[in-house]
Order: sequence, then C-alpha cells, then structure tokens
Amino acid sequence: QQQVKQSPQSLIVQKGGISIINCAYENTAFDYFPWYQQFPGKGPALLIAIRPDVSEKKEGRFTISFNKSAKQFSLHIMDSQPGDSATYFCAASRREGAQKLVFGQGTRLTINP
Amino acid sequence: SQTIHQWPATLVQPVGSPLSLECTVEGTSNPNLYWYRQAAGRGLQLLFYSVGIGQISSEVPQNLSASRPQDRQFILSSKKLLLSDSGFYLCAWHGGGSLAGELFFGEGSRLTVL
Repeated sequence: QQQVKQSPQSLIVQKGGISIINCAYENTAFDYFPWYQQFPGKGPALLIAIRPDVSEKKEGRFTISFNKSAKQFSLHIMDSQPGDSATYFCAASRREGAQKLVFGQGTRLTINP
Repeated sequence: SQTIHQWPATLVQPVGSPLSLECTVEGTSNPNLYWYRQAAGRGLQLLFYSVGIGQISSEVPQNLSASRPQDRQFILSSKKLLLSDSGFYLCAWHGGGSLAGELFFGEGSRLTVL
C-alpha cells in the first residue's frame, strides 16, 4: 500500500514535443504529490508539486494532472527541450508527520535535438 | 539560506570494511533529516529518518545504522560493508512551516563496495 508505480522507465521525445510521465499510488492517506528532477551525479530537486484538492497545477512548461478517484497523477512537459533531459521521479507522502516521501522508480527522459 | 552538505562525494571500499557518511545542514534548526539510497536504475529508498537529536527511525532492515549526534548532523554508518551496500546515498532535510512538504537533497555520496 506504500508503493508508487511510475511509467515509463525511459522516454525519448523530440525537441518541441510533449513528454508525459505517469504515476499511480495506493495509499489514500497520501496528500502531497511532488515531482523531482535529477541530473546525473546530482541530488534530486523539487520540480513541481500538487495537493489532492486540485486537479491540475501548471508552472511554466510543466503541468501536473491529478486524478484522485483513479489514484493517478502525471507530469506533462510542454515544448520539451534538450536541457530537460534528466531522470524524473514522482513521489507521494502525507504532509503531516515526518514527511516520508515514497518515490516511484524514475523515468529517464531524453530530448533529442 | 539553507544548505546541505554531504561527504565524501565518492567512496570505494572493500567488503567487510566500515563506513561513515556525513551530512550537515546549515541555515535551519531542528530539521527532519533523512537518508535515502538510490540503486542503479532504481528509485529512492528511504533508509532512516530523524525528527531530533538521538531520535532515529529505521525504515528497512539492513546492514546500516544512522546517528544524529547534533541538531544539524546526520551520519550513516556500517561496521562491515556488503557488496549490496553499493549505491548512491542521499541525505535530505525537511524544514516544515512554509516549506512543509518539500525535501531538499544533498549532492549525494556514491559508494562502491568491491
């Protein structure tokens, strides 16, 4: 019940295209859903996050879509750029308490120029 | 501003040797601190977290231990390393308040056990 399942494992998108990464969770107590971006040899950095009281959040070219009834959320990267090439992790947790994030397995995104 | 430091950045150790990875946080007080491990091609697995000095919670049974001797210091240790301990270890902190929900990660320590 603590798992977060992420797909696909790897994704290749042409420059200017839309990158879509999907995640599904099981624990209905989760109320915080962040996406992290990680470049090789670096620690992950928060990209964008959403709470379950909204169905969509947009920050620049990055959008999270959230479907509470299906227990799914996704990251859309519009007008994908070579600089977006990185590994992306979805995660979930409860805001209260010790903030123990449960991470998906990661998606290695490559944007071809 | 808050910063987090991890060291060493890279470590190659023989099987059976001890391990000590250190993490310190600056610019905040009483943070929640975390150790995650990232195996090659896999997600991040929470190993330990701490909500205060001397308070350690272990998430998975393993060959590692953690300690928090000071408010902003978190140490990951092992008495005898196993091959399976190889991986990328990440320390993180959570500040609460207006930053509630966001974990800030360090640059990581890459451990190779031979």
